[in-house]
Amino acid sequence: AQRVTQPEKLLSVFKGAPVELKCNYSYSGSPELFWYVQYSRQRLQLLLRHISRESIKGFTADLNKGETSFHLKKPFAQEEDSAMYYCALSDNYGQNFVFGPGTRLSVLP
Amino acid sequence: GAGVSQSPSNKVTEKGKDVELRCDPISGHTALYWYRQRLGQGLEFLIYFQGNSAPDKSGLPSDRFSAERTGESVSTLTIQRTQQEDSAVYLCAASQDRGETQYFGPGTRLLVL
Repeated sequence: AQRVTQPEKLLSVFKGAPVELKCNYSYSGSPELFWYVQYSRQRLQLLLRHISRESIKGFTADLNKGETSFHLKKPFAQEEDSAMYYCALSDNYGQNFVFGPGTRLSVLP
Repeated sequence: GAGVSQSPSNKVTEKGKDVELRCDPISGHTALYWYRQRLGQGLEFLIYFQGNSAPDKSGLPSDRFSAERTGESVSTLTIQRTQQEDSAVYLCAASQDRGETQYFGPGTRLLVL
């Protein structure tokens, strides 16, 4: 069965510092990976998906099949990046969709 | 439409009562999911609907939980004989197809006293 892990429940960084939110998955096929974000008092929303290969709000994520990882990175964190981040996986048949437990990012001034 | 909507936004109920939560998905989005999010925790999958196929109920925590969906429109999640541990935010999400980007509603915050 598919599984998504996010080892950090809470990650605190200072404004302007680089940030990396870790995501690892277990799936034997070719997964599709997503990052979702939930800002305070807002609904959960898609941040980016790996097939788009785009940068959203300065964030990027690269799928590393060898390490089964999809870490989310930003070179210079901003205070408005403080939020809950969820990594998610869909199998290549679109049959199953699994969310990780989430990491709360706190960007300190 | 404006996106996925859910009602009520907040619900306070007494232990043992039944509650019904509603989700209005985006028109044309055939896939609909229900999740539970307990305070300080991640998303817990409950149930999934796809068109007229049999729903995937594998995430429902007990037989007190049930959900229905009429075609590709409104869905209701019913919790019977509520318990205090049912207190959580219940999220609904819709997507054009399973495995595609999910669009979330604002959630219903349920408090069981």
